[in-house]
Amino acid sequence: KQEVTQIPAALSVPEGENLVLNCSFTDSAIYNLQWFRQDPGKGLTSLLLIQSSQREQTSGRLNASLDKSSGRSTLYIAASQPGDSATYLCAPMGYGGSQGNLIFGKGTKLSVKP
Amino acid sequence: NAGVTQTPKFQVLKTGQSMTLQCAQDMNHEYMSWYRQDPGMGLRLIHYSVGAGITDQGEVPNGYNVSRSTTEDFPLRLLSAAPSQTSVYFCASSYSATVRAEAFFGQGTRLTVV
Repeated sequence: KQEVTQIPAALSVPEGENLVLNCSFTDSAIYNLQWFRQDPGKGLTSLLLIQSSQREQTSGRLNASLDKSSGRSTLYIAASQPGDSATYLCAPMGYGGSQGNLIFGKGTKLSVKP
Repeated sequence: NAGVTQTPKFQVLKTGQSMTLQCAQDMNHEYMSWYRQDPGMGLRLIHYSVGAGITDQGEVPNGYNVSRSTTEDFPLRLLSAAPSQTSVYFCASSYSATVRAEAFFGQGTRLTVV
């Protein structure tokens, strides 16, 4: 059964700092991996989707990497801003009976202080 | 550009009552799913559908029913609500269940069962 761990659980940084959020998963047989952000009381917003054949995906100040063989993904946020404060979730999508289902980590709660 | 729409946003039920959480998407997505989010548990899959007329159980299906009569709609039914079903419910959709399957989420339904 796929298990997803996100470290750290919470992170507080000053504005302008570059930071890395970590995601590890136990089953490397995945189609892709998706990163989301969730603001308090809101739904999930898709940030980046990395296919299993890709190593990196970039969108603006965000860069996500995927090392499928070692079961790791990182989300790099450059020049952080207070508006980046949210919970960040990673979710690999696996093969198998529940094909296409996302398995979520518990998230990293990020606070960027002005 | 509606995306995934969930109704209602908030609901309070008494134990034993029934209700239907609505989910609709306007992106012609094949794949739809329901998750619940509880503090400390992360998001867990309840039921999913890979197309009209096809549904299957996820990780926590007990107490919930689904049907998929159209591509656009995927309602979640609680037949006899219990306090353990107090949670935030999210509906998600994607173009397919496999590759290039970026998932989009609704804004959630916050359900309290008293």
